[in-house]
Amino acid sequence: NAGVTQTPKFQVLKTGQSMTLQCAQDMNHNSMYWYRQDPGMGLRLIYYSASEGTTDKGEVPNGYNVSRLNKREFSLRLESAAPSQTSVYFCASTTSGYLYEQYFGPGTRLTVT
Amino acid sequence: RKEVEQDPGPFNVPEGATVAFNCTYSNSASQSFFWYRQDCRKEPKLLMSVYSSGNEDGRFTAQLNRASQYISLLIRDSKLSDSATYLCVVVRGSWGKLQFGAGTQVVVTP
Repeated sequence: NAGVTQTPKFQVLKTGQSMTLQCAQDMNHNSMYWYRQDPGMGLRLIYYSASEGTTDKGEVPNGYNVSRLNKREFSLRLESAAPSQTSVYFCASTTSGYLYEQYFGPGTRLTVT
Repeated sequence: RKEVEQDPGPFNVPEGATVAFNCTYSNSASQSFFWYRQDCRKEPKLLMSVYSSGNEDGRFTAQLNRASQYISLLIRDSKLSDSATYLCVVVRGSWGKLQFGAGTQVVVTP
C-alpha cells in the first residue's frame, strides 16, 4: 500500500515551458487535492476534486489546470511556467467519511528559472 | 491579515521540557481545528484534532479558545523526535477545504 505517490520529485523548468505533475493514490479515496507550499505562506489549495469526474478551483488556481483521470489519479498541469510558480507542490487525498484527515504525497519541488 | 497566523519560531526546547505555542484565526465562523506535523522536507501528517473542551493524545494537549480565536498545542516531556514544524489548520464552511498556517518550528535539543 503506497498511499499517495507523486512524480516527479524534482523538476527545473525554464519560463514558458509546460509540464504535468502526476499524483496517484491507492487508498480508494474519493477526494483529491493539489496544494503549493511557499516559505512563510503555509499550504495553499490550488484545485480539488471532490469525486471522480468533478474538479473545482481552490485559493490560487491561476496558471494551473487539473484532470481527474480516474478515481486514483489527479494531475496538475502548468501550461506556461512562470518564476512565481517555483514552489513545493503536494497532492493529497481523503475519504468522504473524514474529510479533514488528508493524506499527502511526498511532494514535487519545482524551480522555474 | 492572514486567516491563520502562527509564530514561526523556532522554539528551542531541551529534551524533557514542555513547550507550548498558539495559533490565531481571524474568521469567527471557523468550525473545525486541527494540528498537522511536518518534518523537514517531508509531507504534512495529521497530528490531532482540536475539540472545544480540549483534548489530549499522549504527551500532546490541544486547546481551543473561541472567544479569543486561538488554538494551542502543548508538548510535555519533549523528545528529540518531536522536532518538526507544527501546522495549525482551520476549516470554515466549504467542504474539505483546509486553511493552513505557515507553521511553528520546534527544535528539541539533547
